[in-house]
Amino acid sequence: DVKVTQSSRYLVKRTGEKVFLECVQDMDHENMFWYRQDPGLGLRLIYFSYDVKMKEKGDIPEGYSVSREKKERFSLILESASTNQTSMYLCASSPRLIEAFFGQGTRLTVV
Amino acid sequence: AQSVTQPDIHITVSEGASLELRCNYSYGATPYLFWYVQSPGQGLQLLLKYFSGDTLVQGIKGFEAEFKRSQSSFNLRKPSVHWSDAAEYFCAVGLIQGAQKLVFGQGTRLTINP
Repeated sequence: DVKVTQSSRYLVKRTGEKVFLECVQDMDHENMFWYRQDPGLGLRLIYFSYDVKMKEKGDIPEGYSVSREKKERFSLILESASTNQTSMYLCASSPRLIEAFFGQGTRLTVV
Repeated sequence: AQSVTQPDIHITVSEGASLELRCNYSYGATPYLFWYVQSPGQGLQLLLKYFSGDTLVQGIKGFEAEFKRSQSSFNLRKPSVHWSDAAEYFCAVGLIQGAQKLVFGQGTRLTINP
């Protein structure tokens, strides 16, 4: 089975902190994605990557950056956390969009 | 711009009743289409997908969906729901022209009455 692992299920951070969310997949997928999930808004794409060291902005990239130094790992970085970034963050990977596999999600609270 | 619309934010049905969740998309070509389910506190699990061919696709847990090109729709159905089907359901479009990515609808929360 494909496994997408997010490093934390729950995180609480302070306003202004730099926050790292880590995601690892074990199936050698080319594509990896970071989504943000908020009630009534569905999943919104923050950033995605289709190869090592490659990244593309999604629909809501402001306040975020990403890093993909190795094929299996895709990190989301909140440069300076703010309360409006309190949300559920979902990582996914896919082999050329045949199907996206999701991690369990990280619920981030910024206080 | 590409978009996915799920018109129903919340649906309540009785256990054993039939279910239909609606999904409409806006995209210039025939897209890849997906339905995902999310149980509380969990990630998303794929229910079914459509790429081409037969417009009625079968998925896991007794779900099916029908692609209707003329209506730009991909509605999800189940003949008889179980209490364990209570969850949030997301329709998604896979964009394959240019950068490949999934665009999701807003989600439909399903509540099951005993």
